[in-house]
Amino acid sequence: EPEVTQTPSHQVTQMGQEVILRCVPISNHLYFYWYRQILGQKVEFLVSFYNNEISEKSEIFDDQFSVERPDGSNFTLKIRSTKLEDSAMYFCASSETRALARLPYNEQFFGPGTRLTVL
Amino acid sequence: AQSVSQHNHHVILSEAASLELGCNYSYGGTVNLFWYVQYPGQHLQLLLKYFSGDPLVKGIKGFEAEFIKSKFSFNLRKPSVQWSDTAEYFCAVFNYGGSQGNLIFGKGTKLSVKP
Repeated sequence: EPEVTQTPSHQVTQMGQEVILRCVPISNHLYFYWYRQILGQKVEFLVSFYNNEISEKSEIFDDQFSVERPDGSNFTLKIRSTKLEDSAMYFCASSETRALARLPYNEQFFGPGTRLTVL
Repeated sequence: AQSVSQHNHHVILSEAASLELGCNYSYGGTVNLFWYVQYPGQHLQLLLKYFSGDPLVKGIKGFEAEFIKSKFSFNLRKPSVQWSDTAEYFCAVFNYGGSQGNLIFGKGTKLSVKP
C-alpha cells in the first residue's frame, strides 16, 4: 500500500541553524500539506501546496519557513533560522485532489512525522 | 474561526471496557468531521469520517462515531476495547477556507488499554 514517507525521523539542531525536512508524498497525489504538533498541543496546519505554489498558509508559517518541490517526488519544508519554539513533530500529508465544496473530502494521508529538537 | 475540543487528555481502560471519547467543534455551518488514530511510532491514520447522511458513522477496527448537530459533537465509541487500541486519537474538522482547505485538529486523547 502506498504511503507518505518522511526523513529524518528525528533531527536535532542548534538554534539559528537551517533545517530541511523531507517528505515523499504518494506518487499520484497532487496536493501537499505540512502540519506540526508541539509536544502536548494540537496538530496545527502550516501550509498547503499545489502546482508548485503555496495554496494557503497559516499565521505560524512566517518568513522563516519555506516549502519546495525540488523534483518530481520530494516535498520539503525549510526553516531558515530555527528557534527553540520550533521544536515539534512535523507531519507531511498528501491528497489526490483538493476538497471541493460539493464533493466528498479527499482523504489526506499522513507521513510518520519528523521530530525536530532545537537546542 | 473553527476549533475542535477534546476534553479527555488521557483515558485508561481495561480490556473489554467500553470507550467513548468526546469531541466538540465550534463551527455552525456544514461540517466534515474526522477521527484519526496514531499508534505508537506510526502514521496518523483515518479511522472514520462524516460528510452527510446517516449521523452514525462506522469506521475501521470496530469504531463508530455519532454526529449530533445540536450538540456540536462527534464522539468516538467502541463497545469493547482491546490492548491493541492503545494509541492517541485525534478529532478533526475540515476547514474549507481558501482554495485547498486544511484540517483543524483537537489536542488528542491518549488511550491506554490495560491487558
